[in-house]
Amino acid sequence: GEDVEQSLFLSVREGDSSVINCTYTDSSSTYLYWYKQEPGAGLQLLTYIFSNMDMKQDQRLTVLLNKKDKHLSLRIADTQTGDSAIYFCAERGYGGSQGNLIFGKGTKLSVKP
Amino acid sequence: KAGVTQTPRYLIKTRGQQVTLSCSPISGHRSVSWYQQTPGQGLQFLFEYFSETQRNKGNFPGRFSGRQFSNSRSEMNVSTLELGDSALYLCASSTGLAGEAKNIQYFGAGTRLSVL
Repeated sequence: GEDVEQSLFLSVREGDSSVINCTYTDSSSTYLYWYKQEPGAGLQLLTYIFSNMDMKQDQRLTVLLNKKDKHLSLRIADTQTGDSAIYFCAERGYGGSQGNLIFGKGTKLSVKP
Repeated sequence: KAGVTQTPRYLIKTRGQQVTLSCSPISGHRSVSWYQQTPGQGLQFLFEYFSETQRNKGNFPGRFSGRQFSNSRSEMNVSTLELGDSALYLCASSTGLAGEAKNIQYFGAGTRLSVL
């Protein structure tokens, strides 16, 4: 079945780059997403990438997609304390799931001043 | 444009009771999906409604149900509450069906349900 895996924790220093990694299983996924969740809040869409792209850049965010290895990464340049949050990778389900999002367990990013 | 609005933000119920949660999608969005978030299981899909019809359902018992109104607002209901139903319930809206290409799901802040 579909599954999305992420490491649970990442700690970086303010000003460094953060790289959050994700692997997924459904090779038919056309869109992959990164969401951010701050404490007590819902999910905020950060960015997404279409499966025919290798890379997408949006200001401080860079998404890399290796479709062969089913590996997705999110790089945050010049990480700030305000970036501390949980980051979720998600793929769109297919077949029986018919398009709902399949989420990883989330990576908690801690940014130290 | 207002975002996805979920009410109430917090709820405390006791086992055996039932609860109804509400979600108002972004104006113009016709699809509403519901997700349950718990520390153990993470984010799990409950169901999706589009044009007042349930289009997709996750692997949850029949105690979990929902509906959608003609104005696209949606409610979900949980009957005979169990301790394990304590979770953050998130609603997401999109313009079309969640399975259609490039349909982005935008999430509300969620309703935190505590079952005592």
